[in-house]
Amino acid sequence: NAGVTQTPKFQVLKTGQSMTLQCAQDMNHEYMSWYRQDPGMGLRLIHYSVGAGITDQGEVPNGYNVSRSTTEDFPLRLLSAAPSQTSVYFCASSHPEMNTEAFFGQGTRLTVV
Amino acid sequence: DAKTTQPNSMESNEEEPVHLPCNHSTISGTDYIHWYRQLPSQGPEYVIHGLTSNVNNRMASLAIAEDRKSSTLILHRATLRDAAVYYCILIVRAAGNKLTFGGGTRVLVKP
Repeated sequence: NAGVTQTPKFQVLKTGQSMTLQCAQDMNHEYMSWYRQDPGMGLRLIHYSVGAGITDQGEVPNGYNVSRSTTEDFPLRLLSAAPSQTSVYFCASSHPEMNTEAFFGQGTRLTVV
Repeated sequence: DAKTTQPNSMESNEEEPVHLPCNHSTISGTDYIHWYRQLPSQGPEYVIHGLTSNVNNRMASLAIAEDRKSSTLILHRATLRDAAVYYCILIVRAAGNKLTFGGGTRVLVKP
């Protein structure tokens, strides 16, 4: 059982470039979310989705777009990368009930130069 | 978002218990208390959760105060592998199943 898979694991971008971080889960979870974690800090929510076709903004959504066309996939798009987006990005999935656990991917370490 | 307060860091000796406190004075009756931990260079992993009663699982125990305004995560016998940042998180019904991470408690386990 693969769980939550993020690709790539590492990425270096130049300022202004765009890219998509991939996230896939095989647990049939309706709820998926993206977080970023800056050095020495806790995770901050970027965007989340409660099901296919439904997305919403989290705490720090600016500069990022998401879509959810299938239950399994929840890609995060950086439209025009900036050095302030240098961070480690984590994707998570869970069932929507409050008493269920969330599963996290291993993260994508992004550096924008 | 519902806020939790945790100490920045704690130290423990290997094989000894670790008690990690969390204050959540603004908790409401339907909010769940979840704990996650993050090992170095890894994504967070679920540890335990509870609503009102104390909970035990293979990883830890969760003791919830009678008024639910605080809780304590208990690692019964700390190992070197338990060195991590531990996050106490409230799951608020009005916010869906969103996890709001604070700074967490960094646990250092000394051999």
